[in-house]
Amino acid sequence: DAKTTQPNSMESNEEEPVHLPCNHSTISGTDYIHWYRQLPSQGPEYVIHGLTSNVNNRMASLAIAEDRKSSTLILHRATLRDAAVYYCILRDWGNTDKLIFGTGTRLQVFP
Amino acid sequence: DAGVIQSPRHEVTEMGQEVTLRCKPISGHDYLFWYRQTMMRGLELLIYFNNNVPIDDSGMPEDRFSAKMPNASFSTLKIQPSEPRDSAVYFCASSPRRRGTEAFFGQGTRLTVV
Repeated sequence: DAKTTQPNSMESNEEEPVHLPCNHSTISGTDYIHWYRQLPSQGPEYVIHGLTSNVNNRMASLAIAEDRKSSTLILHRATLRDAAVYYCILRDWGNTDKLIFGTGTRLQVFP
Repeated sequence: DAGVIQSPRHEVTEMGQEVTLRCKPISGHDYLFWYRQTMMRGLELLIYFNNNVPIDDSGMPEDRFSAKMPNASFSTLKIQPSEPRDSAVYFCASSPRRRGTEAFFGQGTRLTVV
């Protein structure tokens, strides 16, 4: 299973942008980069995913390095509700299709 | 769709008792995943199914754990006999088998074995 590396924790102030990094140097050609987050006392929820190109949705943006060995989740304006653990996951579509979670990054947002 | 539904939400049981956790995936989803979350070990994938067939159960910790998916709308995770170290939050998730789609998680079952 391809591995990802994330910082244990990050902090941000409300309404500021947040850049959450993820390294995945052993990524394979069939791996999609997925991001999930887990709010306190809830199950993980999907945030965004991509393969090669940068992606935007209503929740966040995903910037993928040209060599695909790293990616960055961008929250454009952090809110208190964005305080959560953010997981970067490689999902090998068409092969195992498993979702293997790492330790994630705990994001704290201050008012 | 109501999303992935897990029951019960909370379960307290005595050591040695049998525990059954239940999951109803989203209709039409091909994959069903069972996870366990603890402070020490984080989110661990226990087993997953594709079209009701178990694909990978390498994460199941011991023979005391078993999982079944008798049909596309129901799965169970059973622990027999239960032990205090099984105390954790157990999550079920489902997803379609389409490239690039996401998984949807239930609210989890918090299991306490005393």
